[in-house]
Amino acid sequence: DTAVSQTPKYLVTQMGNDKSIKCEQNLGHDTMYWYKQDSKKFLKIMFSYNNKELIINETVPNRFSPKSPDKAHLNLHINSLELGDSAVYFCASSPGLMTYEQYFGPGTRLTVT
Amino acid sequence: ILNVEQSPQSLHVQEGDSTNFTCSFPSSNFYALHWYRWETAKSPEALFVMTLNGDEKKKGRISATLNTKEGYSYLYIKGSQPEDSATYLCASYGNKLVFGAGTILRVKS
Repeated sequence: DTAVSQTPKYLVTQMGNDKSIKCEQNLGHDTMYWYKQDSKKFLKIMFSYNNKELIINETVPNRFSPKSPDKAHLNLHINSLELGDSAVYFCASSPGLMTYEQYFGPGTRLTVT
Repeated sequence: ILNVEQSPQSLHVQEGDSTNFTCSFPSSNFYALHWYRWETAKSPEALFVMTLNGDEKKKGRISATLNTKEGYSYLYIKGSQPEDSATYLCASYGNKLVFGAGTILRVKS
């Protein structure tokens, strides 16, 4: 059983397109996150939801919009994709806010051409 | 310290050696310090979350200590094995959650 799953694993698309990445966790956790691994391999937090409520919204372009239909899902929608959006995006979940260990999904490699 | 800094950047050790890395983080508004192990082509895997000054945690051959007053944490690996080869990330949660760049460990058999 996969604890945190993401789909798709790979996504290749052209500039200007709109795409979504889905994340699901079956751990019963209350908190979910989206991270971007940049070109220097740094992990940077983008968003965090706790009980479907947005609690962390870092300086991310408005083209990125998270949506949490329920506690088990946190999807990432990206409008008008740009070359600089190419990266690996990781979803994670934890039982509560930041003082709990996080469980990461396998990552989605997004390539914008 | 404004950012989370890890040292060394990379480390090559022989099987059986003990080793340690450092994570430095802002000591103001501190909530928690996370350590993760990240193997190539896999996802980060949680090792420890520490919150209290002087905290020490252990999992098998790996242990970590925390000094919140001076803003650093040490990760120790006793008797390194080839399967310990990975990138070890720390992340500090203060005003925001910030990850360090990681320490790449390679253990030669």
